[in-house]
Amino acid sequence: SQELEQSPQSLIVQEGKNLTINCTSSKTLYGLYWYKQKYGEGLIFLMMLQKGGEEKSHEKITAKLDEKKQQSSLHITASQPSHAGIYLCGADRGGSEKLVFGKGTKLTVNP
Amino acid sequence: DARVTQTPRHKVTEMGQEVTMRCQPILGHNTVFWYRQTMMQGLELLAYFRNRAPLDDSGMPKDRFSAEMPDATLATLKIQPSEPRDSAVYFCASGLVVLGSFGQGTRLTVV
Repeated sequence: SQELEQSPQSLIVQEGKNLTINCTSSKTLYGLYWYKQKYGEGLIFLMMLQKGGEEKSHEKITAKLDEKKQQSSLHITASQPSHAGIYLCGADRGGSEKLVFGKGTKLTVNP
Repeated sequence: DARVTQTPRHKVTEMGQEVTMRCQPILGHNTVFWYRQTMMQGLELLAYFRNRAPLDDSGMPKDRFSAEMPDATLATLKIQPSEPRDSAVYFCASGLVVLGSFGQGTRLTVV
């Protein structure tokens, strides 16, 4: 089974709508990274969360970490076509320096 | 704008041939990661280096894959002999201790 489960697997929204993507870990989370990937390109770092309850924002994207639930959520406000892509979460297993990734959530934003 | 550079971007080869992928990490980054991405498995860590020394290559099939860092500006991933199941996008990433920036990947197709 996958260590990091992302939901939903894919999401289609109308431009201007809000949306949330979730990332749930089956193991203890020491740090959670969010990346965005466009087709045929590498991953672009969005943000990293390390402490329980931590919340970070970058433009219209906000991510939160719930350590107790071993879960992180990524929220996009007033989505735009430029937000389209695959969002991946990566987990730091604590001092190992290696990130384990979820399979991603494919986001489509229709104009 | 500093970035991780990977070559080639695309490679089509016949089964049994040797494939070499190259990565130039961001200057000053001391940690280099190799990841493989497929639809079925998502992103998987193959190997990573710190200060050019291999720290972990447990994710890599040892019989056919090898990863090296001849110098601080070059990391290589070699597959010999290649097999159709090796078809994937191979990403290099670099950072200071942890994962920072990804390259755009090498899309490998083995026929």
